[in-house]
Amino acid sequence: GENVEQHPSTLSVQEGDSAVIKCTYSDSASNYFPWYKQELGKGPQLIIDIRSNVGEKKDQRIAVTLNKTAKHFSLHITETQPEDSAVYFCAAILSGSARQLTFGSGTQLTVLP
Amino acid sequence: GAGVSQSPSNKVTEKGKDVELRCDPISGHTALYWYRQSLGQGLEFLIYFQGNSAPDKSGLPSDRFSAERTGGSVSTLTIQRTQQEDSAVYLCASSPAGQGITTKQYFGPGTRLTVT
Repeated sequence: GENVEQHPSTLSVQEGDSAVIKCTYSDSASNYFPWYKQELGKGPQLIIDIRSNVGEKKDQRIAVTLNKTAKHFSLHITETQPEDSAVYFCAAILSGSARQLTFGSGTQLTVLP
Repeated sequence: GAGVSQSPSNKVTEKGKDVELRCDPISGHTALYWYRQSLGQGLEFLIYFQGNSAPDKSGLPSDRFSAERTGGSVSTLTIQRTQQEDSAVYLCASSPAGQGITTKQYFGPGTRLTVT
């Protein structure tokens, strides 16, 4: 089965700086990679996703990059703001199976004002 | 439109009691998932429903856990004879995914279960 590793487990940045969270996956057949943001007491919120037929996707201050050869993908947040503080989870899924996501262990991001 | 809703938001129960957790998926979504999030841990898959197909129960941790989905919409997760290690946040997600198609999963707010 799929295994997803996520680093770092905690990350503190100054407001306005960039934050990068990295994940690696084990199943080379996986080809859908979403990122979720979870605020305290709430369910995970999908913030961006990427499919394996592209190498990068950007949505305003958030971008995701994918390296299929190395089997890793990263979340990049630029110009961080205090409201970006949350736990971020990466995930992977075997496309076509429409089955469950395999999640990384999460990164607690703290943006310091 | 309305997102995924779950009830109750919090549930405290005594060890050995049975509990039922409810999930209302986004209207029209054919796929429904249950995950469990234990303190300080990531999200663990429990069970998956797709349309009228037999559910994928491969993530259920023991036979005390069961789930059903009535009419292809609302789902109930039942935990019998609860144990303290069952304490966690139970999250439901739905997706418009069909067979052979991978689409976005949208999560509800979760039910926080505490077993005393």
